[in-house]
Amino acid sequence: NAGVTQTPKFQVLKTGQSMTLQCAQDMNHNSMYWYRQDPGMGLRLIYYSASEGTTDKGEVPNGYNVSRLNKREFSLRLESAAPSQTSVYFCASSEKSGEKLFFGSGTQLSVL
Amino acid sequence: AQSVTQLGSHVSVSEGALVLLRCNYSSSVPPYLFWYVQYPNQGLQLLLKYTTGATLVKGINGFEAEFKKSETSFHLTKPSAHMSDAAEYFCAVSGYSGTYKYIFGTGTRLKVLA
Repeated sequence: NAGVTQTPKFQVLKTGQSMTLQCAQDMNHNSMYWYRQDPGMGLRLIYYSASEGTTDKGEVPNGYNVSRLNKREFSLRLESAAPSQTSVYFCASSEKSGEKLFFGSGTQLSVL
Repeated sequence: AQSVTQLGSHVSVSEGALVLLRCNYSSSVPPYLFWYVQYPNQGLQLLLKYTTGATLVKGINGFEAEFKKSETSFHLTKPSAHMSDAAEYFCAVSGYSGTYKYIFGTGTRLKVLA
């Protein structure tokens, strides 16, 4: 049972570089989410997808884009990385909106 | 709009003492409320969930939470702390207002003293 799989687990970028964080779930969930976790700030919602084909901004969407590629996959793209985007990123999914979240193991991103 | 406020970023209790972690929510629609726990270097796991109905919700590992609409609170308690309870705890709210967002509080780190 893989659950929610995030890749990569660790990444170091230079300012201005781009990258895509990948997330896939094998639970046939409808809703998927991207969060960032910073010390003292909890988890902040970047983008979410309530169902396949839809995406919406969360609390901190600036500097990020997302793609709900299909029901399984929800990717997060940083077009031009900035040091302020140094964080731990979590992908999560739920069977439907408002239900229990299942989390991936996280991606630790450092932007130098 | 929905939001949650967790009072106390750090809480220390002695082993065997009562654990009380505070959460207040704001929601313009009937909320779903959750408590999650995060152990070091791991993702979050669900402790318990409130939807509608009973105000006292029982979760895993002996935790429970009481929903008080009049106080807009959803505090987490455990009668007797164990060393293994040391972790970070997050309150979260979700509710339909056009779409569902899922908003977390800033977290409370629980330390259990021997």
